[in-house]
Amino acid sequence: KAGVTQTPRYLIKTRGQQVTLSCSPISGHRSVSWYQQTPGQGLQFLFEYFSETQRNKGNFPGRFSGRQFSNSRSEMNVSTLELGDSALYLCASSPRDGYNEQFFGPGTRLTVL
Amino acid sequence: AQTVTQSQPEMSVQEAETVTLSCTYDTSESDYYLFWYKQPPSRQMILVIRQEAYKQQNATENRFSVNFQKAAKSFSLKISDSQLGDAAMYFCAYREVVGGTYKYIFGTGTRLKVLA
Repeated sequence: KAGVTQTPRYLIKTRGQQVTLSCSPISGHRSVSWYQQTPGQGLQFLFEYFSETQRNKGNFPGRFSGRQFSNSRSEMNVSTLELGDSALYLCASSPRDGYNEQFFGPGTRLTVL
Repeated sequence: AQTVTQSQPEMSVQEAETVTLSCTYDTSESDYYLFWYKQPPSRQMILVIRQEAYKQQNATENRFSVNFQKAAKSFSLKISDSQLGDAAMYFCAYREVVGGTYKYIFGTGTRLKVLA
């Protein structure tokens, strides 16, 4: 089985722009979570989707949004980029609700200039 | 809100030696899961070991074991016979139940260096 894939792997944007990141979970996985990883902050939870519904949301501004499609693929969007949005964005999937493991993708490294 | 604290930003260990990474957490729940994840340089994060809070026996996976002290809310990871491939960022995580759904809270990580 293919693992979790994320595209693009690297992205450079300038302040004020918007960006869309994509995540394809492992086949059959219905839960997708997004995290922002920065040095010293660890992983900060952004949101989680299950069967196209956002079930949990972290403490991030409304500029961060996401969605999940019927094939479980997920996208996250960040509008009006700020320098502080520079980070590694990780996607993780699980086969079902309450499964006791998350499977991570390689991440998208976003740099905001 | 629940929190996870990893007080060691960086640790070093000699190859073949044993090292322990610390993690403490705060919760008022009685049933939960705890995890250690490993993130090698430029590679994907993978699960190392997990512990169910209601199980008193400490989890073990080959050279990796945990010391789970529920009353002290402590969950340390012991790596025995350290290998060069163990060099990575290690994240401790707690899984909480929020309104019937699950949410993971991660610590800030410990960078482990393995010295040859």
